[in-house]
Amino acid sequence: ETGVTQSPTHLIKTRGQQVTLRCSSQSGHNTVSWYQQALGQGPQFIFQYYREEENGRGNFPPRFSGLQFPNYSSELNVNALELDDSALYLCASSPGEGYEQYFGPGTRLTVT
Amino acid sequence: AQKITQTQPGMFVQEKEAVTLDCTYDTSDPSYGLFWYKQPSSGEMIFLIYQGSYDQQNATEGRYSLNFQKARKSANLVISASQLGDSAMYFCAMREGGGGGSNYKLTFGKGTLLTVNP
Repeated sequence: ETGVTQSPTHLIKTRGQQVTLRCSSQSGHNTVSWYQQALGQGPQFIFQYYREEENGRGNFPPRFSGLQFPNYSSELNVNALELDDSALYLCASSPGEGYEQYFGPGTRLTVT
Repeated sequence: AQKITQTQPGMFVQEKEAVTLDCTYDTSDPSYGLFWYKQPSSGEMIFLIYQGSYDQQNATEGRYSLNFQKARKSANLVISASQLGDSAMYFCAMREGGGGGSNYKLTFGKGTLLTVNP
């Protein structure tokens, strides 16, 4: 296990609702990245936080937003949920420059 | 153009045999890193091996080795002595750039589903 935890494990939401996903990074890691993995696809980069600041964003609309806290844990918020937002959301932490990213078990979101 | 291409949607291998999973990449950045991850059906991405663009030797980690051919822009994963527990999705990923005080995003391929037969 990597020491990266995510909550909840699964959740079901209705189109138009809002959702918050949480991630606790591995001890000592100051960088957190979020990825969306649709069924049968590779993960797609959403955004990354480094020392509480957003540090790069993928091709996702503004209704995807995030936060990183002083203890380096992080949240991913998605507003106005759409059916296509149904996916596995993966959080990854790393200790900084040049290091591999360690992934959590993911949160599986279903939008109905 | 795809930055990471994995041309094998599925691969089969007999237990105890070796298998090669293909990965080609596309970047104009001279500094980059290549990663392989394993994703079992549980969903967690498990880091396997890393190769930096300036590394002179191919990376190895236990039964995993990375066949890095820079001129051909390929980074194939070789798994020796396959085990039943190796059955999973395998993703090749690339990080472009380096330096500074933060990490960089990973760009993933579409993956290869490996099935190890007894």
